[in-house]
Amino acid sequence: GAGVSQSPSNKVTEKGKDVELRCDPISGHTALYWYRQSLGQGLEFLIYFQGNSAPDKSGLPSDRFSAERTGGSVSTLTIQRTQQEDSAVYLCASSLMRGGYTFGSGTRLTVV
Amino acid sequence: DQQVKQNSPSLSVQEGRISILNCDYTNSMFDYFLWYKKYPAEGPTFLISISSIKDKNEDGRFTVFLNKSAKHLSLHIVPSQPGDSAVYFCAASARGNQGGKLIFGQGTELSVKP
Repeated sequence: GAGVSQSPSNKVTEKGKDVELRCDPISGHTALYWYRQSLGQGLEFLIYFQGNSAPDKSGLPSDRFSAERTGGSVSTLTIQRTQQEDSAVYLCASSLMRGGYTFGSGTRLTVV
Repeated sequence: DQQVKQNSPSLSVQEGRISILNCDYTNSMFDYFLWYKKYPAEGPTFLISISSIKDKNEDGRFTVFLNKSAKHLSLHIVPSQPGDSAVYFCAASARGNQGGKLIFGQGTELSVKP
């Protein structure tokens, strides 16, 4: 596609439920990243996929968070047993090379 | 451990004047720096970047300056326009096996008054 597509754009979930956030990167981009922005905070790195290499998961805040990237394209970020502190905007980006990311518009997650 | 810091959460500037946004970093391995602009309900968009082999990069109204000895970079916008009002993030990446991961600052909200 022309840009990075994320779905849903908004998600309200009850505490304790699992959620899945989807990212469709720009076709041909080998690198895919997940970040999150909590209220009043900067962008916090979560996970990074580059081609067939093992993903860099160093930013995942707990083992409730996981992500996969199927076929080198679409990625899903899963949050299990959601907590209120998980409420944030989750941003996906993709790139061909280092830096120069294109970001999606994000998924606003609200845990009630 | 905040490796990239933007110490001013907000900045207000008159239209036509210069906006200067500052960013400090602590990791000496960082060698590539970027600025992103973000409007509400949208993802950040890339503005301008600079490699550590340079100390200045210019693109139209936007100039980024890098002072490696001070581990400081700044973004200058001249002249500022009301449409520049947004949150600006600086970001940095390092050599080696950290790949393309960017570390972002907390952002500075710029408001340009007509």
